[in-house]
Amino acid sequence: QVQLKESGPGLVQPSQTLSLTCTVSGFSLTSNSVHWVRQPPGKGLEWVGAIWSGGSTDYNSALKSRLSISRDTSKSQVFLKMNSLQTEDTAIYFCTRSGSQYWGQGVMVTVSS
Amino acid sequence: DIQMTQSPSFLSATVGDRVTINCKASQNINKYLNWYQQKLGEAPKRLIYNTNSLQTGIPSRFSGSGSGTDYTLTISSLQPEDVATYFCLQHNSGPWTFGGGTKLELK
Repeated sequence: QVQLKESGPGLVQPSQTLSLTCTVSGFSLTSNSVHWVRQPPGKGLEWVGAIWSGGSTDYNSALKSRLSISRDTSKSQVFLKMNSLQTEDTAIYFCTRSGSQYWGQGVMVTVSS
Repeated sequence: DIQMTQSPSFLSATVGDRVTINCKASQNINKYLNWYQQKLGEAPKRLIYNTNSLQTGIPSRFSGSGSGTDYTLTISSLQPEDVATYFCLQHNSGPWTFGGGTKLELK
């Protein structure tokens, strides 16, 4: 069945780079897009960006200068890298497949020294 | 980017009540509107997709309607397990954008 699972460090220091991995199973990355969505504690959902089935990417315009999304289709993994992290980037980060029916469980990222 | 305005942000209702939650888009989103339920500590769960298609396994008391810029999620008879936060999402064009959420509690 379709599954997504996020992984990465729970704590990142301010100004450092966040690296997250979304490992998927049950579907092909070359046939489906994967999106990243984040949710600050107690707040709403924010679309971060996506990598499309053909490999092109789109980013939230407010994050674009700090963000990179890539993938390794052989490993069924999607990667998110965000640099110059600030406390406002503290959030649960989710990955979700195109259609947004299937979501990972999310990974909490805290930006703090 | 398309802005989604969701209302109300908080709702208190009694078991058995009919509950409605609204989302208004800043431009026509051609019915590309999904609804999600999120319980504390969990990922969002898709309830409705493309305005009015009920996700498999979701109780029929949930329904969606709308067109153009205005969309509604209706719970026909509120159950205790429906206590959650509800979000809308537009996926018509440009970046996905979410409504701000409606926190639904029991009175």
